[in-house]
Amino acid sequence: QSVLTQPPSASGTPGQRVIISCSGSSSNIGTNTVNWYRQIPGTAPKLLIYSNNQRPSGVPDRFSGSKSGTSASLAISGLQSEDEADYYCAAWDDSLNGVVFGGGTKLTVL
Amino acid sequence: QVQLVESGGSVVQPGGSLRLSCAASGFSFSTYGIHWVRQAPGKGLEWVAFIRSGGTKKYYADSVRGRFTISREDSKNTLHLQMNSLRAEDTAVYHCARGRVVAPTEFDYWGQGTQVTVSS
Repeated sequence: QSVLTQPPSASGTPGQRVIISCSGSSSNIGTNTVNWYRQIPGTAPKLLIYSNNQRPSGVPDRFSGSKSGTSASLAISGLQSEDEADYYCAAWDDSLNGVVFGGGTKLTVL
Repeated sequence: QVQLVESGGSVVQPGGSLRLSCAASGFSFSTYGIHWVRQAPGKGLEWVAFIRSGGTKKYYADSVRGRFTISREDSKNTLHLQMNSLRAEDTAVYHCARGRVVAPTEFDYWGQGTQVTVSS
């Protein structure tokens, strides 16, 4: 059972907009920044969004992040087949004194 | 370019020990906090441990506290994870990940990982 809650799966057709949610609590998302990582199975995760809504260089602006209260979301617009991957949210937890992850969301492009 | 390369993974019996290493290059290693994150087969990401720049502050997940020790050798640009009293549930790919300078709990680069299998 992950500390942060994500839907296990999400899907969309090419060109659509998909939103992946991440729910936490006051000790993690409510107090600290949220990051999103993308992982293609069998490879290392990559940073997709940091500090709630910032994109590292090289990440297309089709990807955006937001945070409100104890929840965060990742939006992917103009869905492409290469967006198929697992997506994880993460944040520091002040009560656990460590980083907590969501369980991951498997995105399928239909 | 930034590179993190893990090594030391192996098959070990329950109760055994293993020492993982993470060799860093392409950046000023001593300036950054570094983490270990693991992924069990078919499962999600699980944070394991974090050591701040300077090595004075260390943090551990409850699942490994008292059994695992994170350390760093800045002179060799290397991070270590000493794993003792290993259990079957420690079986996973172990990644090292660099924390951002201004936000050390955000991972901006990851290594490819090293496989640890705990089995009799």
